[in-house]
Amino acid sequence: AQKITQTQPGMFVQEKEAVTLDCTYDTSDQSYGLFWYKQPSSGEMIFLIYQGSYDEQNATEGRYSLNFQKARKSANLVISASQLGDSAMYFCAMRGPPTGANSKLTFGKGITLSVRP
Amino acid sequence: EADIYQTPRYLVIGTGKKITLECSQTMGHDKMYWYQQDPGMELHLIHYSYGVNSTEKGDLSSESTVSRIRTEHFPLTLESARPSHTSQYLCASSEYGFSNSPLHFGNGTRLTVT
Repeated sequence: AQKITQTQPGMFVQEKEAVTLDCTYDTSDQSYGLFWYKQPSSGEMIFLIYQGSYDEQNATEGRYSLNFQKARKSANLVISASQLGDSAMYFCAMRGPPTGANSKLTFGKGITLSVRP
Repeated sequence: EADIYQTPRYLVIGTGKKITLECSQTMGHDKMYWYQQDPGMELHLIHYSYGVNSTEKGDLSSESTVSRIRTEHFPLTLESARPSHTSQYLCASSEYGFSNSPLHFGNGTRLTVT
């Protein structure tokens, strides 16, 4: 079974500073994908970044980077140069290999990030 | 860019009514999903489909039902709405079932049952 753990309380960051959102995971699969999604107060889920279990380099997408430490089973999201529009809830998620006809996306409980001006 | 649409965006309805939440995608994706999310909480998978005429229940038990008659359309139905069904419902699709394929989400339907 897959499990995602996000235990940080609400996070606060000053505008233009960097912030790290923690995520640990547990799985018995050798091949898996890790994802981060952003959910603003409007409710939609926005895909931010992906990291594959066999990727040796940490993923980066613009101001987002994923600090992947496979041995520790952690996949922390780093947001550089925070902006007011980054205030949202952030979810870490995992997807395993296709089993049968499907593989679902399992989500953590999420972390609320507030960016202060 | 993902194109997946959910209607209505907001719905307030009385107990006992039958409702259908619509979800359509224009990308030709075979894999489609319904997640339920209470405010400020995690998402739980309630239904998924890997193609036309295939539907499966997810991890969270739900009184809702789904159908997949066309690739692009994956509606969710509640035969008799109850206050416990009050939640946000998010529809998603994926091009592949592999672990490197992200899910693309619609804007969600916020359902309130009075």
